[in-house]
Amino acid sequence: DAGITQSPRHKVTETGTPVTLRCHQTENHRYMYWYRQDPGHGLRLIHYSYGVKDTDKGEVSDGYSVSRSKTEDFLLTLESATSSQTSVYFCAISDINQPQHFGDGTRLSIL
Amino acid sequence: KQEVTQIPAALSVPEGENLVLNCSFTDSAIYNLQWFRQDPGKGLTSLLLIQSSQREQTSGRLNASLDKSSGRSTLYIAASQPGDSATYLCAVQYSGAGSYQLTFGKGTKLSVIP
Repeated sequence: DAGITQSPRHKVTETGTPVTLRCHQTENHRYMYWYRQDPGHGLRLIHYSYGVKDTDKGEVSDGYSVSRSKTEDFLLTLESATSSQTSVYFCAISDINQPQHFGDGTRLSIL
Repeated sequence: KQEVTQIPAALSVPEGENLVLNCSFTDSAIYNLQWFRQDPGKGLTSLLLIQSSQREQTSGRLNASLDKSSGRSTLYIAASQPGDSATYLCAVQYSGAGSYQLTFGKGTKLSVIP
């Protein structure tokens, strides 16, 4: 695998609580991405980063924020979790003209 | 909005058969196209990346082709095996604004019957 670790792998939490998911890479790739995968919708981009402290919104960014203070770490935060954010979250990494490689995912349930 | 479509949604074939998975996209101004496989409960595994200037890529029993003018890509799997059973996803990276984003199809679920 491409040296991507997502934590936690599973989480159950309650509506209204803050949640932070972490993606850690050992490949020194420039680009990092957060996707969510839902039945009937497929994979959709939430946010991405093109360098330390450089981030931008994806297709479904409402309710999410990200931070990248180091090349190797990309954090996804749900400030106040809602049931509609129950999903499987994937982190991916890439370099220019290289394929995206994905982590094993975090299964998040919000009750 | 860019759309990526994969047909069929599911496919079942006997072991040893050659097969083709289809992917179509609405805008020909693509930067590259990538094929993935996803096993149940797992992440995505990159199979092949085709740059917009290329017509095809090969890896082992897999061959992916790209026809930008018609907005189509195919993934050819030769001599299918039960271990090929998985969901296959096509994703397009478009040129221009938001060009870092991959737009995914919903996938084709392949079952190879022993």
